Amino acid sequence: EDQVTQSPEALRLQEGESSSLNCSYTVSGLRGLFWYRQDPGKGPEFLFTLYSAGEEKEKERLKATLTKKESFLHITAPKPEDSATYLCALRSGNTPLVFGKGTRLSVIA
Amino acid sequence: EAQVTQNPRYLITVTGKKLTVTCSQNMNHEYMSWYRQDPGLGLRQIYYSMNVEVTDKGDVPEGYKVSRKEKRNFPLILESPSPNQTSLYFCASSWREGQPQHFGDGTRLSIL
Repeated sequence: EDQVTQSPEALRLQEGESSSLNCSYTVSGLRGLFWYRQDPGKGPEFLFTLYSAGEEKEKERLKATLTKKESFLHITAPKPEDSATYLCALRSGNTPLVFGKGTRLSVIA
Repeated sequence: EAQVTQNPRYLITVTGKKLTVTCSQNMNHEYMSWYRQDPGLGLRQIYYSMNVEVTDKGDVPEGYKVSRKEKRNFPLILESPSPNQTSLYFCASSWREGQPQHFGDGTRLSIL
């Protein structure tokens, strides 16, 4: 059975304090790993898709990387507006997308 | 503006009273899906649709129905709601299965 585990559950950072969120997974035949951002009262918003180990994607202060067992979302010099819950999800075969439970990030000014 | 629109945003109702949550997308997407989000469980897929008149079960379909008569609309139907269906529901769409999904802003259902 496909599994996705995100850590930590919650992370509190000072503005400018870089860190990483982890998404570890077990899957037979990865067909895509997705990162989403979810703000309170809103639906998830797509950030990145990664397809193969070694792939990296960047957008502003965020950088997503992928290995055969995990993905990292690196946040460089975060700002308060980066506060949100970050979700990863994976797709394998023809099964429904499997979401992790998310990491709740708080960035304090 | 590209968007997925859900209605209502909030609903409090009673056990057994049939309800429908509407979902409409304006991006001409083929793929649409419904999720529920519960604390400690994350997002779980209820039903999905690859295209008009094509629907299939996700992880947690019991107690729900869907239909896809038009490309833009994908309503979620609870024929006889029960308290364990109290949750936050999201509709999502994408060009095709496996592509990044656009999500609506959610419908919070409370069933007493």
